[in-house]
Amino acid sequence: SQQGEEDPQALSIQEGENATMNCSYKTSINNLQWYRQNSGRGLVHLILIRSNEREKHSGRLRVTLDTSKKSSSLLITASRAADTASYFCATAASGGSYIPTFGRGTSLIVHP
Amino acid sequence: GAGVSQSPSNKVTEKGKDVELRCDPISGHTALYWYRQSLGQGLEFLIYFQGNSAPDKSGLPSDRFSAERTGGSVSTLTIQRTQQEDSAVYLCASNNGGRYEQYFGPGTRLTVT
Repeated sequence: SQQGEEDPQALSIQEGENATMNCSYKTSINNLQWYRQNSGRGLVHLILIRSNEREKHSGRLRVTLDTSKKSSSLLITASRAADTASYFCATAASGGSYIPTFGRGTSLIVHP
Repeated sequence: GAGVSQSPSNKVTEKGKDVELRCDPISGHTALYWYRQSLGQGLEFLIYFQGNSAPDKSGLPSDRFSAERTGGSVSTLTIQRTQQEDSAVYLCASNNGGRYEQYFGPGTRLTVT
């Protein structure tokens, strides 16, 4: 089955810097979503990008999608200590199951 | 409105005992998902309920795991004869079906001693 895999596994930056994390997947998708998880608890939806979209913005977040490379990136600009969390991508297949597949996540630490 | 709630938030049980985990989805959401997350790992899909359709149980790791959803709302995940490898955070999510964003509960941290 397809799977989103995030890269890097861990990222450590200073407050104010930008953070970029990537997600790769294997098969055709309907959409790709990014989620944030604090302290190993519930995930919070950040942004959804459809397969016919190439870029999407939400506040300090910028997501790109390259379906030819089967990859997506999440950019957090002007990071804050409160952005410290794990970030997951989830891919929804273009046919069949409605069950999204989550990657293992990128652990982001933003130092104040 | 109220989000997805799960109970208990933490559960410690002895190996071999049965446990029940509860999920209250957002009112009106037709789809409900259960996931398991081991320490430092991604989300492992367990089971998916959509309306009145038969649930997709393809992610359940063994026949010790079962789940039901009563009245299209509350769901209970039952683990029988718990093993130490069952220790994980169990997450529930709901949405209106389709390939849309999911709303997650805070999870139940299960520890099997």
